Amino acid sequence: GENVEQHPSTLSVQEGDSAVIKCTYSDSASNYFPWYKQELGKGPQLIIDIRSNVGEKKDQRIAVTLNKTAKHFSLHITETQPEDSAVYFCAASLGDYKLSFGAGTTVTVRA
Amino acid sequence: EAGVVQSPRYKIIEKKQPVAFWCNPISGHNTLYWYRQNLGQGPELLIRYENEEAVDDSQLPKDRFSAERLKGVDSTLKIQPAELGDSAVYLCASKSGTGVTGELFFGEGSRLTVL
Repeated sequence: GENVEQHPSTLSVQEGDSAVIKCTYSDSASNYFPWYKQELGKGPQLIIDIRSNVGEKKDQRIAVTLNKTAKHFSLHITETQPEDSAVYFCAASLGDYKLSFGAGTTVTVRA
Repeated sequence: EAGVVQSPRYKIIEKKQPVAFWCNPISGHNTLYWYRQNLGQGPELLIRYENEEAVDDSQLPKDRFSAERLKGVDSTLKIQPAELGDSAVYLCASKSGTGVTGELFFGEGSRLTVL
């Protein structure tokens, strides 16, 4: 099955700085890569996703890049704000039915 | 519109006792998932339903776990008997259409503690 590794496990940034989270996947057939944000006591919520035929996608302060050759993808958050503090999960799907999640990155934005 | 509703939010039981979790997905969502999230980890799929059919239950420990989705709407996940290692958050998610691409809408989860 698909194995997704996520780094770092924790990330502390100053408000206004950028945050970058990196993930690698094992199966070159994976074709869908979403990112989810989980706040304390809540379920994960989709914030952005990318498909394997696209190299980069942006949505306001959030961007995701995909390198299929190296089998890694990254989440970039610019101009971080306190409300960005949460746990972020990357995921990859093998085929069209099974989503494998990374272990998560706890992001803390310091005021 | 209401989101995915799960109950109970918290459950504490002794080992070897049974426990059940209930999920009401978003109206019209025909695909429903149960995930288990251990502390400090990402969600792991237990079972996926398309309408009332369990199309992927390969990760469900069938000796003690069971699930059902009657009439393709609400779903129940049961553990009997519970073991210490079952302590986790059980997340239900739903989405419209089939397949995994597109947004999964998660409930707030049911946190199980087995003593």
